[in-house]
Amino acid sequence: DQQVKQNSPSLSVQEGRISILNCDYTNSMFDYFLWYKKYPAEGPTFLISISSIKDKNEDGRFTVFLNKSAKHLSLHIVPSQPGDSAVYFCAATFGGKLIFGQGTELSVKP
Amino acid sequence: DAGVIQSPRHEVTEMGQEVTLRCKPISGHNSLFWYRQTMMRGLELLIYFNNNVPIDDSGMPEDRFSAKMPNASFSTLKIQPSEPRDSAVYFCASSLPAYQETQYFGPGTRLLVL
Repeated sequence: DQQVKQNSPSLSVQEGRISILNCDYTNSMFDYFLWYKKYPAEGPTFLISISSIKDKNEDGRFTVFLNKSAKHLSLHIVPSQPGDSAVYFCAATFGGKLIFGQGTELSVKP
Repeated sequence: DAGVIQSPRHEVTEMGQEVTLRCKPISGHNSLFWYRQTMMRGLELLIYFNNNVPIDDSGMPEDRFSAKMPNASFSTLKIQPSEPRDSAVYFCASSLPAYQETQYFGPGTRLLVL
Protein backbone atom coordinates (compact mmCIF):
# COMPACT_ATOMS: atom_id res chain seq x y z
CA ASP A 1 0.00 0.00 0.00
CA GLN A 2 1.89 3.01 -1.30
CA GLN A 3 0.91 6.05 0.76
CA VAL A 4 3.16 8.42 -1.18
CA LYS A 5 3.18 8.04 -4.94
CA GLN A 6 5.29 9.51 -7.68
CA ASN A 7 3.66 8.29 -10.86
CA SER A 8 6.31 9.54 -13.26
CA PRO A 9 9.50 7.46 -13.05
CA SER A 10 11.38 9.88 -15.28
CA LEU A 11 11.27 13.42 -16.66
CA SER A 12 13.42 15.10 -19.29
CA VAL A 13 13.67 18.89 -19.50
CA GLN A 14 15.72 21.36 -21.50
CA GLU A 15 18.20 23.53 -19.62
CA GLY A 16 16.67 26.87 -18.64
CA ARG A 17 13.10 25.57 -18.72
CA ILE A 18 10.88 24.69 -15.78
CA SER A 19 10.92 21.21 -14.24
CA ILE A 20 7.75 20.12 -12.47
CA LEU A 21 7.84 16.98 -10.36
CA ASN A 22 4.60 15.65 -8.94
CA CYS A 23 3.64 13.64 -5.90
CA ASP A 24 0.33 12.31 -4.58
CA TYR A 25 -0.45 11.01 -1.12
CA THR A 26 -3.32 9.18 0.51
CA ASN A 27 -3.03 9.88 4.24
CA SER A 28 -4.57 13.18 5.33
CA MET A 29 -2.75 12.87 8.67
CA PHE A 30 0.65 13.62 7.15
CA ASP A 31 1.90 16.82 8.75
CA TYR A 32 5.07 17.64 6.86
CA PHE A 33 6.18 17.08 3.27
CA LEU A 34 9.69 17.09 1.91
CA TRP A 35 11.68 16.65 -1.25
CA TYR A 36 14.99 14.85 -1.27
CA LYS A 37 17.48 14.72 -4.11
CA LYS A 38 19.73 11.77 -4.84
CA TYR A 39 22.77 11.48 -7.06
CA PRO A 40 24.12 8.05 -8.12
CA ALA A 41 26.21 6.28 -5.48
CA GLU A 42 25.22 8.85 -2.84
CA GLY A 43 22.56 9.00 -0.17
CA PRO A 44 19.51 11.26 -0.56
CA THR A 45 19.97 14.87 0.54
CA PHE A 46 17.28 17.16 1.88
CA LEU A 47 16.15 19.79 -0.61
CA ILE A 48 13.05 21.63 0.57
CA SER A 49 10.03 21.06 2.79
CA ILE A 50 6.56 22.39 3.49
CA SER A 51 4.29 22.20 6.48
CA SER A 52 0.75 20.93 5.97
CA ILE A 53 -0.59 24.31 7.11
CA LYS A 54 1.03 26.08 4.17
CA ASP A 55 0.45 25.89 0.45
CA LYS A 56 3.75 27.20 -0.87
CA ASN A 57 7.38 27.34 0.14
CA GLU A 58 10.16 28.84 -1.92
CA ASP A 59 13.93 28.50 -1.72
CA GLY A 60 15.87 30.03 -4.59
CA ARG A 61 15.12 28.13 -7.78
CA PHE A 62 13.02 25.57 -5.91
CA THR A 63 9.36 25.98 -4.97
CA VAL A 64 7.09 23.38 -3.44
CA PHE A 65 3.32 23.67 -3.74
CA LEU A 66 0.86 21.77 -1.58
CA ASN A 67 -2.79 21.18 -2.49
CA LYS A 68 -4.32 19.48 0.54
CA SER A 69 -7.77 19.05 -0.95
CA ALA A 70 -6.27 17.12 -3.85
CA LYS A 71 -3.63 15.45 -1.66
CA HIS A 72 -1.04 16.57 -4.16
CA LEU A 73 2.27 18.35 -4.00
CA SER A 74 4.69 19.44 -6.63
CA LEU A 75 8.26 20.68 -6.89
CA HIS A 76 9.07 23.38 -9.41
CA ILE A 77 12.65 24.05 -10.48
CA VAL A 78 13.16 27.28 -12.41
CA PRO A 79 15.39 27.59 -14.31
CA SER A 80 16.52 23.98 -14.61
CA GLN A 81 20.25 23.34 -14.79
CA PRO A 82 22.20 20.24 -15.88
CA GLY A 83 23.42 19.83 -12.29
CA ASP A 84 19.80 19.30 -11.24
CA SER A 85 19.84 15.92 -13.00
CA ALA A 86 19.18 13.42 -10.22
CA VAL A 87 16.46 11.28 -8.69
CA TYR A 88 13.96 13.30 -6.67
CA PHE A 89 12.04 11.67 -3.83
CA CYS A 90 8.89 13.06 -2.33
CA ALA A 91 8.40 12.19 1.35
CA ALA A 92 5.87 12.74 4.11
CA THR A 93 6.18 12.54 7.87
CA PHE A 94 3.90 10.62 10.15
CA GLY A 95 4.56 9.34 13.65
CA GLY A 96 8.18 10.42 13.54
CA LYS A 97 8.86 8.52 10.33
CA LEU A 98 9.52 9.53 6.76
CA ILE A 99 7.50 7.74 4.09
CA PHE A 100 9.04 8.04 0.66
CA GLY A 101 7.67 7.90 -2.85
CA GLN A 102 9.29 5.77 -5.53
CA GLY A 103 11.29 8.67 -6.97
CA THR A 104 11.39 10.52 -10.30
CA GLU A 105 14.58 10.66 -12.30
CA LEU A 106 15.07 14.15 -13.72
CA SER A 107 17.34 14.67 -16.70
CA VAL A 108 18.17 18.26 -17.65
CA LYS A 109 19.66 18.44 -21.12
CA PRO A 110 22.04 21.26 -22.13
CA ASP B 1 31.65 17.47 9.75
CA ALA B 2 32.19 13.97 8.34
CA GLY B 3 28.51 13.25 7.79
CA VAL B 4 26.96 9.83 8.27
CA ILE B 5 29.52 7.09 7.71
CA GLN B 6 28.56 3.64 6.48
CA SER B 7 30.69 0.56 5.96
CA PRO B 8 31.27 -1.38 3.90
CA ARG B 9 30.28 0.53 0.77
CA HIS B 10 29.89 -2.68 -1.19
CA GLU B 11 29.31 -6.23 -0.01
CA VAL B 12 29.05 -9.38 -2.06
CA THR B 13 28.21 -12.57 -0.22
CA GLU B 14 26.73 -15.97 -0.77
CA MET B 15 23.28 -17.05 0.27
CA GLY B 16 23.21 -18.26 3.86
CA GLN B 17 26.08 -16.10 5.05
CA GLU B 18 25.78 -13.51 7.79
CA VAL B 19 26.04 -9.89 6.72
CA THR B 20 26.72 -6.97 9.06
CA LEU B 21 26.29 -3.37 7.96
CA ARG B 22 27.68 -0.56 10.06
CA CYS B 23 26.74 3.05 10.60
CA LYS B 24 28.20 6.01 12.46
CA PRO B 25 25.69 8.86 12.75
CA ILE B 26 26.54 12.54 12.83
CA SER B 27 27.78 13.55 16.25
CA GLY B 28 24.98 15.04 18.33
CA HIS B 29 22.20 13.43 16.33
CA ASN B 30 20.03 11.35 18.63
CA SER B 31 17.83 9.69 16.01
CA LEU B 32 19.08 7.00 13.66
CA PHE B 33 17.25 5.34 10.79
CA TRP B 34 17.93 2.29 8.61
CA TYR B 35 16.42 2.23 5.10
CA ARG B 36 16.48 -0.22 2.22
CA GLN B 37 16.17 0.80 -1.42
CA THR B 38 15.05 -1.64 -4.09
CA MET B 39 13.64 -1.21 -7.56
CA MET B 40 10.37 -2.84 -6.57
CA ARG B 41 9.68 -1.13 -3.24
CA GLY B 42 11.65 2.09 -3.49
CA LEU B 43 13.08 3.57 -0.28
CA GLU B 44 11.52 1.93 2.76
CA LEU B 45 12.19 2.46 6.46
CA LEU B 46 13.32 -0.67 8.28
CA ILE B 47 13.84 0.57 11.84
CA TYR B 48 14.64 3.72 13.76
CA PHE B 49 16.19 4.55 17.11
CA ASN B 50 15.86 7.52 19.46
CA ASN B 51 18.61 7.87 22.06
CA ASN B 52 19.85 4.35 21.21
CA VAL B 53 16.43 2.79 21.87
CA PRO B 54 14.54 1.10 19.01
CA ILE B 55 11.26 2.98 18.55
CA ASP B 56 9.68 1.35 15.52
CA ASP B 57 10.89 -1.84 13.84
CA SER B 58 7.70 -2.54 11.93
CA GLY B 59 9.57 -2.24 8.65
CA MET B 60 12.01 -5.03 9.42
CA PRO B 61 11.09 -7.69 6.87
CA GLU B 62 11.53 -10.78 9.02
CA ASP B 63 13.43 -12.36 11.88
CA ARG B 64 16.53 -12.74 9.76
CA PHE B 65 17.04 -8.98 10.15
CA SER B 66 18.19 -7.41 13.41
CA ALA B 67 19.53 -3.99 14.34
CA LYS B 68 21.36 -2.70 17.37
CA MET B 69 22.60 0.63 18.62
CA PRO B 70 24.95 -0.04 21.55
CA ASN B 71 25.91 3.64 21.89
CA ALA B 72 25.18 7.04 20.38
CA SER B 73 27.91 6.75 17.76
CA PHE B 74 27.41 3.28 16.32
CA SER B 75 24.69 1.06 14.90
CA THR B 76 24.62 -2.26 13.06
CA LEU B 77 22.13 -3.96 10.81
CA LYS B 78 22.60 -7.71 10.60
CA ILE B 79 21.11 -10.21 8.19
CA GLN B 80 21.44 -13.86 9.16
CA PRO B 81 21.11 -15.91 7.04
CA SER B 82 21.18 -13.74 3.94
CA GLU B 83 19.08 -14.52 0.85
CA PRO B 84 19.30 -13.25 -2.75
CA ARG B 85 16.12 -11.17 -2.26
CA ASP B 86 17.99 -9.14 0.38
CA SER B 87 20.11 -7.63 -2.40
CA ALA B 88 19.55 -3.87 -2.22
CA VAL B 89 21.16 -0.62 -1.18
CA TYR B 90 20.95 -0.06 2.57
CA PHE B 91 21.06 3.50 3.86
CA CYS B 92 21.61 4.79 7.34
CA ALA B 93 20.39 8.29 8.26
CA SER B 94 20.51 10.42 11.38
CA SER B 95 18.77 13.52 12.63
CA LEU B 96 18.19 15.71 15.63
CA PRO B 97 15.11 14.48 17.51
CA ALA B 98 13.28 17.77 17.08
CA TYR B 99 13.93 17.74 13.34
CA GLN B 100 13.33 14.16 12.32
CA GLU B 101 11.88 15.35 9.04
CA THR B 102 15.33 16.52 7.99
CA GLN B 103 17.44 13.42 7.92
CA TYR B 104 21.05 13.19 6.82
CA PHE B 105 21.81 10.08 4.83
CA GLY B 106 25.00 8.11 4.52
CA PRO B 107 26.30 6.99 1.11
CA GLY B 108 24.72 3.56 1.45
CA THR B 109 25.93 -0.03 1.37
CA ARG B 110 25.27 -1.89 -1.86
CA LEU B 111 24.60 -5.52 -0.92
CA LEU B 112 24.57 -8.37 -3.40
CA VAL B 113 23.65 -11.84 -2.19
CA LEU B 114 24.45 -14.57 -4.69
